[in-house]
Amino acid sequence: DSGVTQTPKHLITATGQRVTLRCSPRSGDLSVYWYQQSLDQGLQFLIQYYNGEERAKGNILERFSAQQFPDLHSELNLSSLELGDSALYFCASSVWANTEAFFGQGTRLTVV
Amino acid sequence: AQSVTQLGSHVSVSEGALVLLRCNYSSSVPPYLFWYVQYPNQGLQLLLKYTSAATLVKGINGFEAEFKKSETSFHLTKPSAHMSDAAEYFCAVSDPHRGDYKLSFGAGTTVTVRA
Repeated sequence: DSGVTQTPKHLITATGQRVTLRCSPRSGDLSVYWYQQSLDQGLQFLIQYYNGEERAKGNILERFSAQQFPDLHSELNLSSLELGDSALYFCASSVWANTEAFFGQGTRLTVV
Repeated sequence: AQSVTQLGSHVSVSEGALVLLRCNYSSSVPPYLFWYVQYPNQGLQLLLKYTSAATLVKGINGFEAEFKKSETSFHLTKPSAHMSDAAEYFCAVSDPHRGDYKLSFGAGTTVTVRA
């Protein structure tokens, strides 16, 4: 158990819908990363937050957004969902921005 | 941007045989390098990391990797494969010298272990 908690573990939704994925980092970790894992794209970095502020952005679609709250948990919001958004979404956390990241078990999103 | 290339999407080894997974990075400045393992329906677990200290890095579960600047490689090895090593392995890179701490992953190598 990495100490990073992601909910829900599985999510099935229809095209055009909006979902929110939640991540609770390890106690004391200030940095949160979101990654997407799909069969065609592999593991892709989406976005990083550090102590509530956006720190780095990857190939995140405009339909996707994220935030980190004062209690350091983070949410990834995916809207206007398409079939191609079906993937495993991972959250990872680290103490600082430049230290080892620990991954959660992921949320498997299926868009039908 | 930093990137890594994993050679071989599938590797099959016999139990007790050497496991060798290849990873090459693209950078003129040595980055931070990582190997992660992913078991079915699980998250990613760090096996080991190179952060510009010793070039031979020992990790968990008997794995080790050697950083070779001349070959821009960071290959992962384990002397004797166990059935429990069957999983997908990812090489990853970050570029701390440029303040870039996100991980860029390779495509992954699936390891199967034959009894």
